[in-house]
This record gives sequence, C-alpha cells and structure tokens, in this order.
Amino acid sequence: DGGITQSPKYLFRKEGQNVTLSCEQNLNHDAMYWYRQDPGQGLRLIYYSQIVNDFQKGDIAEGYSVSREKKESFPLTVTSAQKNPTAFYLCASSIAVNQPQHFGDGTRLSIL
Amino acid sequence: KQEVTQIPAALSVPEGENLVLNCSFTDSAIYNLQWFRQDPGKGLTSLLLIQSSQREQTSGRLNASLDKSSGRSTLYIAASQPGDSATYLCAVGLTTDSWGKLQFGAGTQVVVTP
Repeated sequence: DGGITQSPKYLFRKEGQNVTLSCEQNLNHDAMYWYRQDPGQGLRLIYYSQIVNDFQKGDIAEGYSVSREKKESFPLTVTSAQKNPTAFYLCASSIAVNQPQHFGDGTRLSIL
Repeated sequence: KQEVTQIPAALSVPEGENLVLNCSFTDSAIYNLQWFRQDPGKGLTSLLLIQSSQREQTSGRLNASLDKSSGRSTLYIAASQPGDSATYLCAVGLTTDSWGKLQFGAGTQVVVTP
C-alpha cells in the first residue's frame, strides 16, 4: 500500500540536543511538506519542497532544518535553537503543488 | 493576511442528527478549500476538496458548500454516527503564492453520542 510513514511516533529531546524526524513516502509525489500542530491551533507550515534538492521556508522555519536528497524522503531536524519544540509534527506530500495533500500519522515531540 | 476560523471549537450531538460544521475565511481570493478529518493522535484524512469555481462537493453522507463572496464554507454530515467522532479541519488554498499553500483553521471537535 502506498502512503507516508513518519517515525518515530514519540520522541523526547534533551535541552541543547538536535533531533531528526523521519518522513518517507512511496506515492511517487514530487512535493512534500512539514507542519507543526499545537493544541487548539491549526497546522502551521514549517518547510516545503516542490522537487528533489529544493526546499523553501514556511511560516515558522526558525529553529528547524530540512533536506531533500531523495524524492521519497524529507527529514526534519529540530535544532537546539527551537526553544519551544513540544508539538505534534505532521508530514504531507502531494503529486504536485496545488494538488491534494496526503498526511502521515505524525510524530509527537516532547522535552525531557 | 488570510485568517481561517472554525466555530464552534467543539460540539456534541446524538447519533442520527445531522452535523453542520462552519468555516469562515477573510480573503475571498482562494484557490480551493479542503475539509479534513483528524482522529486523536493521527494525521489528517482528506474528505472533500472544492475548487474556487465550484459551489459544492458531495461524497456519500458528506456535502461541502463554498460561498467565496461571503467567505464561508459549510460541511454537512447526514445522519451522524459514533464513528464520525473526530476533529474536522478546513484549509484554504491561497493564491498569493506561486503554489497552493494551505491556511488551516483550528478545527471543530465533534462527539457523536450513541
């Protein structure tokens, strides 16, 4: 079955530590996205990538970094510069921009 | 800046009652509007997508309408079931960017009681 796989499901970060969230898709989609969801708020865009080796900042990119070396993979690194990283992180993909986005099941990041 | 609002934030209905969920947006220059369902601790599942040129979309018990001039969309779920309990989010596709960036509402949490 085609889909988007996010791992791990739960992640804990120590102060000063960088952590990386994995997102893999086998839908052959060109575009991929990372969102952050906080309680009672809508999703906010962190980064997006329209094609391999290209990515753009979203609304809240500070303290985060990404790479897009392969079409199937779009990992997100939460750096120590992100002072409030506790949130639910969602990865999505679409066949192209302006097409419906398909979502993974998310990673919940907490601070130790 | 486009703002998307969903009111109420939560509602509870008895099984069998029709559900009416509201979404409002401040800028009518949208590319499309999408309704999603989110179960607790899960990702989003797309329910319906309405292009800016369309007035409504239907899928089974679900019907979504779009009125760009008034900045509103409504999701109707007929004959609700306990399995419809979830959070429903609307998202507006913006035209201000060269790609279809989505602006999300905060969602309406729905509980359908048996």
